[in-house]
This record gives sequence, structure tokens and C-alpha cells, in this order.
Amino acid sequence: GAGVSQSPSNKVTEKGKDVELRCDPISGHTALYWYRQSLGQGLEFLIYFQGNSAPDKSGLPSDRFSAERTGGSVSTLTIQRTQQEDSAVYLCASSLGEDGYTFGSGTRLTVV
Amino acid sequence: AQTVTQSQPEMSVQEAETVTLSCTYDTSESDYYLFWYKQPPSRQMILVIRQEAYKQQNATENRFSVNFQKAAKSFSLKISDSQLGDAAMYFCALDSNSGYALNFGKGTSLLVTP
Repeated sequence: GAGVSQSPSNKVTEKGKDVELRCDPISGHTALYWYRQSLGQGLEFLIYFQGNSAPDKSGLPSDRFSAERTGGSVSTLTIQRTQQEDSAVYLCASSLGEDGYTFGSGTRLTVV
Repeated sequence: AQTVTQSQPEMSVQEAETVTLSCTYDTSESDYYLFWYKQPPSRQMILVIRQEAYKQQNATENRFSVNFQKAAKSFSLKISDSQLGDAAMYFCALDSNSGYALNFGKGTSLLVTP
């Protein structure tokens, strides 16, 4: 597509439920990144994909977080047993090289 | 370790005036890229300007320019002729070979007053 698409735009979930966040990158972009942005904070790196593999998962905050990417395209970030501290905006970005990232509009996750 | 520091949580500028946002960084790499991103209330991060460390010439994009001081590891953003639409969070970011992902500063909230 023309841009990075993320869905849903907003998600409210109950504590303890699992959620899936989706990112559809720009066609042909081999690199895909997930970041988390808590209220009033900068961007916290979560995970990076090159193609379908994830060479850097160092930013995942706990084993409740996982991500996959299939076909070198769409990526899903899954949070199991959500906690209130997981409430944040989850941003996805894709890139083709060193020209910088193109970001999606993010998913605002609220855990109640 | 790579770090990016934005020491100004908030800045304010009057319309048509000029404002400079500060950013300092630390990396052991000699070749890297620096970026400024703008994040309006819509949440989408928009690339404002990009600088390659091996280029001495400061990058310029219309009303936006940078002052890149490699030795001092400083990368400030100057916005000239500020417009109401420039109001947003501005993030400085570093991309080096030390890691896979961009490192971001905590951001500066820019308010533009009429």
C-alpha cells in the first residue's frame, strides 16, 4: 500500500485478555519495527524484523509479548494476559534502508 | 551504548518567528544517520529532516534546517517562519550500525502561538 497501515486504531480490553495488533507495511519494505509509546514518553523499541526473521527481540518487555511476520509483509504483535501497564500507543514502522522509517498511525491500547 | 537526549521538554514560539530545538547524542560509531520526526496529535510520526554523519553540510528542507556539530555530538533543529501547523511533538533519532533500530529522544513539545 501507499503507507503503513495499523489496525485497530484504538483498542480497549479488559485486564487479563489477549490482544493482537496488526501492521501492514509499505509494499517492498523489508524491515519492520514495533515501538511502544507510553503517555508523554518517547518511543520504546520492541522488536525488529528483517524479512520474516527477528534478529532483535531485545525490547520485548516480557514473555507476554510476542510478534510474528509472515510473507515478509504483515506483522502481528500479540500481548497475552494484558496488564494496565501495557496501555500505550503501539507504533509500527517500515523501511527499505537508511532513508528513515515510515510510521503508521499507531494503535492506542487501553487496558481497563 | 547509544543515547539520544532532548533537554527541552517544552518550547514555545510565536507565529512567524524562529525556534531551535536541541538534541545531543552519543555513539561510538563514525558513520550514522540522524533524524528529526514530528508527531502531531494524529499520532503519525512524520520525517522532517535527515542528516548523514559523513556529510559536513547541514541538511535543509524548506523552513527546517539542522545545525550538525559532529565533534560535539549535537544535532539541533531550526524552524524558521513558524506556522500554527508546526505545533507538535518533535523527536530526534539516531540510526547507527550499533543496533538495528532507531534510538529516539524523549521529545520536545512545541507550542506555536498566534
